[in-house]
Amino acid sequence: DTAVSQTPKYLVTQMGNDKSIKCEQNLGHDTMYWYKQDSKKFLKIMFSYNNKELIINETVPNRFSPKSPDKAHLNLHINSLELGDSAVYFCASSPLAGVGDHEQYFGPGTRLTVT
Amino acid sequence: QQQVKQSPQSLIVQKGGIPIINCAYENTAFDYFPWYQQFPGKGPALLIAIRPDVSEKKEGRFTISFNKSAKQFSLHIMDSQPGDSATYFCAAPITQGGSEKLVFGKGTKLTVNP
Repeated sequence: DTAVSQTPKYLVTQMGNDKSIKCEQNLGHDTMYWYKQDSKKFLKIMFSYNNKELIINETVPNRFSPKSPDKAHLNLHINSLELGDSAVYFCASSPLAGVGDHEQYFGPGTRLTVT
Repeated sequence: QQQVKQSPQSLIVQKGGIPIINCAYENTAFDYFPWYQQFPGKGPALLIAIRPDVSEKKEGRFTISFNKSAKQFSLHIMDSQPGDSATYFCAAPITQGGSEKLVFGKGTKLTVNP
């Protein structure tokens, strides 16, 4: 069983388009995250939700809008895509809010390429 | 600002060697220092983590050493194998704006040659 799943795995689109990435976790966790990994492998948090409530909103352009319809799902919508948005986006989940000493479970990633 | 500094950026060892990856942190919300392992095309996965009550933790061939006074911790891989070839990330918990988050180092790409 896949613990954290993301769709699509690959996304190729043109500048200016709007796209969405979906994430689902079946671990029963309360907290979900979006991370961006750039071409140099740098992994940086973008957003965190706890029980559908936004708790972390890093300095991310407001073209990025997360949505959590329920605590098992966290989607990421990106408007007016730019070349610099090309990266791998990872969804993750953890049992509780706050990093505590809780393991974060990462999805397989969505490789976004903007042309 | 870089709150977790990881080195080296890349590392090549022969099978059986003992690669060592180092991390230094500035300020943390509390003492919990995980290492994540990422294979190409996959998401990171927790490898091993250390909590404040010990200065060293060992799981199989992987060992974390922790030096609280120096604000440093390191990962040692004993008897490294080609299957250990991956990118390794250290992380530290940071409190910012009333929320906790994990801040990751920039990663170390490890190659273990047969």
